[in-house]
Amino acid sequence: DGGITQSPKYLFRKEGQNVTLSCEQNLNHDAMYWYRQDPGQGLRLIYYSQIVNDFQKGDIAEGYSVSREKKESFPLTVTSAQKNPTAFYLCASSIFQDLSNQPQHFGDGTRLSIL
Amino acid sequence: AQSVAQPEDQVNVAEGNPLTVKCTYSVSGNPYLFWYVQYPNRGLQFLLKYITGDNLVKGSYGFEAEFNKSQTSFHLKKPSALVSDSALYFCAVRPSSSGGYQKVTFGTGTKLQVIP
Repeated sequence: DGGITQSPKYLFRKEGQNVTLSCEQNLNHDAMYWYRQDPGQGLRLIYYSQIVNDFQKGDIAEGYSVSREKKESFPLTVTSAQKNPTAFYLCASSIFQDLSNQPQHFGDGTRLSIL
Repeated sequence: AQSVAQPEDQVNVAEGNPLTVKCTYSVSGNPYLFWYVQYPNRGLQFLLKYITGDNLVKGSYGFEAEFNKSQTSFHLKKPSALVSDSALYFCAVRPSSSGGYQKVTFGTGTKLQVIP
């Protein structure tokens, strides 16, 4: 079955450490997204990518970095500059971005906590 | 700037009763509207969408939503609630304009609790 796989499901970060969250999709989707979910705040966009080797900042990109070297993969690095990283991180993908009437497909998330 | 409001943090309904989860939006031009459901520690699952045409949209698991342009609303409904419908529901909007990136804005979510 096609879908989005996020790993790990749970992740713990030490002070001053960078951590990387994995997101892989086999839906052949062009566009991929990273969201942060905090209780009562809905989803906030961190980064998005419409095509391989291109990505754009979302609303809360500070302290995060991404890469898009392959169509299937869109890893997110939470750097030590992100002072409040504890959250539930969701990766999503959608068919070509310009078809804006298409829904996004989501992975099952990674829960990041500070040690 | 576009926005989505889900005025109720939580909705409680008895099993077998009809349910409504409210959503209002603000966007430039015509909207594309979406409802998603999230179960604990899972990602969002798509339920239904409004693009154009009939104001009543039918989706997965017996859910439907009514688009009201004059009230800028897109309320989610189900005629008979099930305990298994208990989850967090998100409304989302994006402009229908083509070309370039069109941002999706999500509401803050409404927790639906169906009481046996």
